[in-house]
Amino acid sequence: AQKITQTQPGMFVQEKEAVTLDCTYDTSDPSYGLFWYKQPSSGEMIFLIYQGSYDQQNATEGRYSLNFQKARKSANLVISASQLGDSAMYFCAMRGGNTGGFKTIFGAGTRLFVKA
Amino acid sequence: GAVVSQHPSRVICKSGTSVKIECRSLDFQATTMFWYRQFPKQSLMLMATSNEGSKATYEQGVEKDKFLINHASLTLSTLTVTSAHPEDSSFYICSARDQDLLRKETQYFGPGTRLLVL
Repeated sequence: AQKITQTQPGMFVQEKEAVTLDCTYDTSDPSYGLFWYKQPSSGEMIFLIYQGSYDQQNATEGRYSLNFQKARKSANLVISASQLGDSAMYFCAMRGGNTGGFKTIFGAGTRLFVKA
Repeated sequence: GAVVSQHPSRVICKSGTSVKIECRSLDFQATTMFWYRQFPKQSLMLMATSNEGSKATYEQGVEKDKFLINHASLTLSTLTVTSAHPEDSSFYICSARDQDLLRKETQYFGPGTRLLVL
């Protein structure tokens, strides 16, 4: 069975500082993808970053980077130089391979508050 | 990136009525679409996987007779909440998957539909 765990219900960060949002996962699929999405109050799901299970390097997309530790089954999101507009809900997600039916499941989410 | 639309964006209905939500992939063909439900301050819960031309696969605990899914074409899937009750009030989000599984971002989300059942 697939599982995504986000243990931080809420996080605070000072503007311009970096913040790490934790995510651990479990799957029996050898091939899988890990995602982070941002959901502002409007409800839309905004894709941030992707990490494939066979990718050798950690993914980076602008101010977002994914700290992928495969042996520990963790995929933490690092946001550098936080901005007020980063305040939102953040979801870690995993898309399984053939065993998991290629379904994408989500963690419970972490609400990030950026302080001025 | 690819665009997925949902209609309506919000709907208010009376208890006992049925509500249909449409999900369209606008610039790509989606053989598979997913329907999620999100209660306030909670995560997205996968309800069902919709495959074009075949019956939907429902997740455990989701009533197939309550949430009717039809995926009649490669660009359209519909979710009908039948005999809606106040507890069905939620944010429903669809997601469409591009056929090219090798591309990293192959799943695109619609903007969601807020359903309020009075």
